[in-house]
Amino acid sequence: AQSVAQPEDQVNVAEGNPLTVKCTYSVSGNPYLFWYVQYPNRGLQFLLKYITGDNLVKGSYGFEAEFNKSQTSFHLKKPSALVSDSALYFCAVRSASYGNNRLAFGKGNQVVVIP
Amino acid sequence: DAGVTQSPTHLIKTRGQQVTLRCSPKSGHDTVSWYQQALGQGPQFIFQYYEEEERQRGNFPDRFSGHQFPNYSSELNVNALLLGDSALYLCASRPGQGRTEAFFGQGTRLTVV
Repeated sequence: AQSVAQPEDQVNVAEGNPLTVKCTYSVSGNPYLFWYVQYPNRGLQFLLKYITGDNLVKGSYGFEAEFNKSQTSFHLKKPSALVSDSALYFCAVRSASYGNNRLAFGKGNQVVVIP
Repeated sequence: DAGVTQSPTHLIKTRGQQVTLRCSPKSGHDTVSWYQQALGQGPQFIFQYYEEEERQRGNFPDRFSGHQFPNYSSELNVNALLLGDSALYLCASRPGQGRTEAFFGQGTRLTVV
C-alpha cells in the first residue's frame, strides 16, 4: 500500500519569508517521491522528484525538498516565497517496484503568500 | 513540443449517461494513466495503460474502462454516470516503466446533473 499525509490544509507565509510544506509517506520498499503544483482550473505541474542519491533535491522555480528516510518525510521548501507561489501543492509517492505506475497523492496544501 | 492534451475541457452529462474522455500523451511517452480528482481532494489513480493493455487498476468499479491506441493516445469511458462521478479527470503520461516523473494534462471537468 502507498499513502501520503499532508497534515496542514493551508500554509500562510509572508512574501520573502521561507516556505515549508510538509509531507510524510508510507510505502512498501523504496519510494519514488514527487511534488506537484496546481493552479486554479489547471492540471498538475511537476516541481521535483527524489529517486535515489542525494537526499536534498532541487527543482523548478527555486523549490527544493529533503528526503528523510528515518522520518519517512519529504518536505518541500523555498528560501524566499513569492506571491506567484500561491497555489495548491501535492506530494505523491509510488513504490520503486518495476512496472508500478500508481501514484498516491496527499490531499494537498493550499499555500497563500501574503504581499 | 505539445505536452499532454485532453479533450474536452468541460463536459456536462445527465445521470445514467455514458461519457468518453480523450488524452494525447506528450511526444515520446508511451505510458498513460488516468486520475480522478474530486473537489478539494488529491487525485485518485484509476488505471494505467502501456502497450495497449491495462497494466494497473485502482479501486474503481467496472463502469470505468479505458483503451490505448497504437499511437499511445488513450480514452477513458464511464458508463451509467452517477452524481458522484463529477470531478476533474486528469491524464498523465511518461516514457516507459522506469523512474521518470509523470506529466499531466490540464484535465477534463465532468459535471453530472
